[in-house]
Amino acid sequence: SQQGEEDPQALSIQEGENATMNCSYKTSINNLQWYRQNSGRGLVHLILIRSNEREKHSGRLRVTLDTSKKSSSLLITASRAADTASYFCATDQIYSGGGADGLTFGKGTHLIIQP
Amino acid sequence: GAGVSQSPSNKVTEKGKDVELRCDPISGHTALYWYRQRLGQGLEFLIYFQGNSAPDKSGLPSDRFSAERTGESVSTLTIQRTQQEDSAVYLCASSFVLVNQPQHFGDGTRLSIL
Repeated sequence: SQQGEEDPQALSIQEGENATMNCSYKTSINNLQWYRQNSGRGLVHLILIRSNEREKHSGRLRVTLDTSKKSSSLLITASRAADTASYFCATDQIYSGGGADGLTFGKGTHLIIQP
Repeated sequence: GAGVSQSPSNKVTEKGKDVELRCDPISGHTALYWYRQRLGQGLEFLIYFQGNSAPDKSGLPSDRFSAERTGESVSTLTIQRTQQEDSAVYLCASSFVLVNQPQHFGDGTRLSIL
C-alpha cells in the first residue's frame, strides 16, 4: 500500500516557538488525519481534514491540505513541553471500488520541545 | 467503555508459541482495525472489520495471522507459531463507520518473541 511521508523525521524547538510538520502522499484520498503518539501509548486523533477542505483549525493546531500537490502540513503554535511526541499523518484512501479501509500511516515526525 | 481497551498490555513468549491479543472497542463503534507498529516506525495496517465481517484479509503478514470479531464487540488477533519478526506493538482502533471518521486507538499490546 502507498505510504505517507512526514518531513522532517525529527524536530527540536524551544518552548513557545511554532512547529511545522509536512506530509506527502501518493494516492487519491477521502481525508487526511493527523495523530499524536506519546511514548508507549496509542495514537490520539488531532484533526481530520476532508479532501474538499483546504485548511482547518483546532485550538493551537492548524492543518492545510493541497490535493493538487498531495501534501499536508500541521502547524502547532506557541509550543509547550507537553507537545513533545511523535506526530503521524494518515490517509484514508479511495480505492477503485469506492470503499476505504484502514488508514495508511507515515513514519512520523518526532517533535521535542525544549523547556 | 470509555475508550478502546487492549489486553494484555505486554506479552513475552517463546518462538513457536501461539499468542492471542484482545481488543474491546468503544461501544457502538461498528468499524474495528488492527495495526502493527515496529520500533520507531509508523503503523502497518493489518485488517479491519465492519461489524463482524472482514472483507479484505490481504494486509495480514502471513497465514500465521488470523483475526475474528464477535458481532460489533470484542476482536481477537491470533498469531500462530510466532517468529522473532512478529515482535512489535499491536494496536487496535475503532470508529463509528469506515469513512471520514477519526479512529480511536487503544494503548496496544507490546509483543516480544524470545
